[in-house]
Amino acid sequence: KNQVEQSPQSLIILEGKNCTLQCNYTVSPFSNLRWYKQDTGRGPVSLTIMTFSENTKSNGRYTATLDADTKQSSLHITASQLSDSASYICVVTPLGGSYIPTFGRGTSLIVHP
Amino acid sequence: NAGVMQNPRHLVRRRGQEARLRCSPMKGHSHVYWYRQLPEEGLKFMVYLQKENIIDESGMPKERFSAEFPKEGPSILRIQQVVRGDSAAYFCASSPDRGTYNEQFFGPGTRLTVL
Repeated sequence: KNQVEQSPQSLIILEGKNCTLQCNYTVSPFSNLRWYKQDTGRGPVSLTIMTFSENTKSNGRYTATLDADTKQSSLHITASQLSDSASYICVVTPLGGSYIPTFGRGTSLIVHP
Repeated sequence: NAGVMQNPRHLVRRRGQEARLRCSPMKGHSHVYWYRQLPEEGLKFMVYLQKENIIDESGMPKERFSAEFPKEGPSILRIQQVVRGDSAAYFCASSPDRGTYNEQFFGPGTRLTVL
């Protein structure tokens, strides 16, 4: 069964600090791995996407890394801002079939001033 | 170019009533996906549709739930005889095609509360 596990479940940091969120998956073979940001009461918004051949992808202060051998990904947030408070979701799409993605439960990040 | 539209944003139903959730994909997108998100849970895939076709409904409960995406108009997720366990946020996403690299753009969701 395809699974995506994220850690930590929740995280509180001070504004300006960096943080790293983790994602482990069992989806194989996989087509791509995405990180989404979901603000409270909103739909998810894509931050980064990586195929199995990519190791890292940046989007402003967000940098995602991928190790396809160990099936792990991380999302690093630099110089956090209050607006970074949200749920961050790791999503893995399998290769083949209907390409239906599997979503992690997300990491809830709270940035305090 | 408007994003994915969903309505209503909030829907309250009593047990036994029907709930109809609508989704208008982004302009030019012909693929629609419905997901359900329970409190403290990740999004769970329900159904994947193209215009006038259901491609994958493996995540859809066998009873009471149905979905359609007609040639004209929005996609509809219909829940008949709702029960309290149907209370959740229902998200719709659309993509331009089915490719392996396709990005799904999400709507704001419909929050269904069953009393």
